[in-house]
Amino acid sequence: DAKTTQPNSMESNEEEPVHLPCNHSTISGTDYIHWYRQLPSQGPEYVIHGLTSNVNNRMASLAIAEDRKSSTLILHRATLRDAAVYYCIPTRSLNDYKLSFGAGTTVTVRA
Amino acid sequence: EAGVAQSPRYKIIEKRQSVAFWCNPISGHATLYWYQQILGQGPKLLIQFQNNGVVDDSQLPKDRFSAERLKGVDSTLKIQPAKLEDSAVYLCASSLDILGPRTGELFFGEGSRLTVL
Repeated sequence: DAKTTQPNSMESNEEEPVHLPCNHSTISGTDYIHWYRQLPSQGPEYVIHGLTSNVNNRMASLAIAEDRKSSTLILHRATLRDAAVYYCIPTRSLNDYKLSFGAGTTVTVRA
Repeated sequence: EAGVAQSPRYKIIEKRQSVAFWCNPISGHATLYWYQQILGQGPKLLIQFQNNGVVDDSQLPKDRFSAERLKGVDSTLKIQPAKLEDSAVYLCASSLDILGPRTGELFFGEGSRLTVL
């Protein structure tokens, strides 16, 4: 499995953008990049995934570097509800749900 | 649409006792997973079922942990006897058939928090 490196924590102000980096320099050419987040006392929830192109959905945007060695999850306007642990997870296929979670990035949002 | 249901939400037991956790996946999801999440760590996969068959149980401590999914729907995870280091949140998750539509999304329940004293 590809290794990932994420900052332990990040802070943001409410209604400001948050850029969460993930380094996955050992990723293979066909690995997908998934992002999940875990709110306090909840199970993880899917945020977004991508392969090569940048992706947008109602929750976030995913910017993937051209060499695919890193990616950035972008929360466009942080709310208090976005305070969570965010996990960057490479997978070998889109239906590879045996997710290998690291420690993730703890995001704190200040009101 | 109902999500993944788990019970109990909380359980406190003494070491060497036994405990069981129940999971009901999202209707129509063929694949079911049990994860263990120790405080301060990310979840770790214990076992994966496809319908009522085991796909991967390589990370399950089989001397004390067991899991079953007899009718391909509900699942039960059992720990017997429990150790102090089993204190964790046990998360159940489900997904569409791994051979089916490519959706890339895994759905988790809220988890069952186990404290072993």
